This record gives sequence, C-alpha cells and structure tokens, in this order.
Amino acid sequence: NAGVTQTPKFQVLKTGQSMTLQCAQDMNHEYMSWYRQDPGMGLRLIHYSVGAGITDQGEVPNGYNVSRSTTEDFPLRLLSAAPSQTSVYFCASSYSSSGGPGTFGPGTRLTVT
Amino acid sequence: AQSVTQLGSHVSVSEGALVLLRCNYSSSVPPYLFWYVQYPNQGLQLLLKYTSAATLVKGINGFEAEFKKSETSFHLTKPSAHMSDAAEYFCAVSGGSNFGNEKLTFGTGTRLTIIP
Repeated sequence: NAGVTQTPKFQVLKTGQSMTLQCAQDMNHEYMSWYRQDPGMGLRLIHYSVGAGITDQGEVPNGYNVSRSTTEDFPLRLLSAAPSQTSVYFCASSYSSSGGPGTFGPGTRLTVT
Repeated sequence: AQSVTQLGSHVSVSEGALVLLRCNYSSSVPPYLFWYVQYPNQGLQLLLKYTSAATLVKGINGFEAEFKKSETSFHLTKPSAHMSDAAEYFCAVSGGSNFGNEKLTFGTGTRLTIIP
C-alpha cells in the first residue's frame, strides 16, 4: 500500500511550457484533490474530484486542468506555465467526503522561470 | 463563505511545556474543522477533526482540540511538548455536512519550535 504518490518531486519549467503533475493512490479513495502551497498563504484548493469522471474547480483553478478517468489517478495539467505558478503542489485523497483529505502525497516542487 | 485565522505564525515552547496553537474560524454554515501537521519536506498529516459530534476531539500524538461555537475557535493543545512536535501546523475549515469536504479552506499555518 503506497498511499498517495506524486511525480515528479521537483520540476523546473520555462514560461509557456506545459506539463502534467501525476498523482496516484492505491487505497480506492473516491475523493481526490489538488492544492498548492505558497509561503504565508497556507494551502489553496485548485481542483477536486468526487469520483471517476467528476471534477470541479476549487479556489484557484485558472491555468490548470484536471481529469479523472480512473479512481486511482488524478493528473494536474499546467497549460502554459507562468512564474506565478511556482509553488509546491500537493495531491490528497480520502475515502469519503465527511472527513476532509486524510492522506496527502509528498508534494511536487515546481519552479517556473 | 468560510475562513480561518491562525494567531501567531511562529510559536516557541520549552520541552515539557503546554502547547497551545490558536485557530479561529468563520463559516456561514455549521463547520467541520481540522488540524493538520506538516514536517519538513513532507505532505500534510491529519491530526484530528471535528465533525459535529463531541466538542472535545482527541487526535494523534497526544494532541486535542476543543470546538467552541460561542468563541468560533478550535484551538489545538498538547499538555507536554516533545522535541518531535516541531513542525508546521495548519487549521482548516469546510462547509460541514452540506458541502463537499474536499473544499477545505486552510489557515496560513503556525510553525512550532520546541526549545530543549
């Protein structure tokens, strides 16, 4: 049981490049979400999913896309990277909606130059 | 709409002393409340959660928090600090049973330092 895994751990992009941050969980959790963490701002919700085929926007969705074709995977796509997207990105999952995200991945540190 | 305020971005306590991390919330509906801990270079770990059952919630590692509706507070405490408690702590609120609890609003965090 690997929990929530994220790849890559570190990434440097140039402005305008696109990339996909991978997130996978092996706990059969229905609920998955993406957060970004910036100094002094806590975590902010980007997108979330309540099950395969269902996604919705969070607090800061602009510049990001998600899809949920399987229960296990919830990739986050940066369409055209900007320096403002330099951040640490966390994927999280939970079995139900009643308890909030219970398991977070180790994070991806992204730098956009 | 909901928000969280964590008073004190940095808190230092001596080993063996009481830990008190403050969290006040604002919510237009009965909230669910959470405390998470983040150790350096790691993801967040759920410490405890309040979901409208008992107002005193016990979590992992000896931490507990009390939901006080009249004070709109959910402060985190631990009777005796240990060196391993040094980390950053986040309080979070969601819209309770009426809303998807994946939509958490986090506070800005409190970094806890333990003095030997």
